[in-house]
Amino acid sequence: QVQLQESGPGLVKPSQTLSLTCTVSGGSISPGSYYWSWIRQPAGKGLEWIGRISSSGSTNYNPSLKSRVTISVDTSKKQFSLKLRSVTAADTAVYYCAREAVGELVSFFDYWGQGTLVTVSS
Amino acid sequence: SYELTQPPSVSVSPGQTASITCSGDKLGDEYACWYQQKPGQSPVLVIYQDTKRPSGIPERFSGSNSGNTATLTISGTQALDEADYYCQAWDSSTVVFGGGTKLTVL
Repeated sequence: QVQLQESGPGLVKPSQTLSLTCTVSGGSISPGSYYWSWIRQPAGKGLEWIGRISSSGSTNYNPSLKSRVTISVDTSKKQFSLKLRSVTAADTAVYYCAREAVGELVSFFDYWGQGTLVTVSS
Repeated sequence: SYELTQPPSVSVSPGQTASITCSGDKLGDEYACWYQQKPGQSPVLVIYQDTKRPSGIPERFSGSNSGNTATLTISGTQALDEADYYCQAWDSSTVVFGGGTKLTVL
């Protein structure tokens, strides 16, 4: 059973960089048919996809966040990470990491982390 | 950018059938999936590739996708099905979520 666990600071100051790491257990991070994604959800609102990375390091980002986001992967540690620069209060949300199954026109998230609340405040 | 539109809320009586729609341009040409999210919990995949149910998801959950609309159907709705439901698709290397629908069982 694949498990994902987010970790990182729960409080970030405005204009600083939000950094989170997702650790994968119970399975390999390397299979080619999966991507590893970050998704966020402000309180009381819907889900917003941030971006994803393959085990080989290929990335895709949400166009609305692309200029501020970097996602990286460390297969030896079975971890992938998110950096979101120049944060504001609008970036306050629960951040989820998730495994995404991909294929021809196929995309779905079959495993999710429990989520971690990140608050942007001085 | 691609958008998926869901009704903000749907109400259903226990034992009846609930239908939640997700609309997007030519959505039927792509695969859609659905997630259930209860308060304070992570989303759970209930339908993928339009019609498939993951292991452990009850048979009362079913899906369809044609034209511009994907539909999640819950037959014999139970009180424990009360939750937020999100559709999701993939377009031009970008993942897109619908805005979510709050299903109320009353």
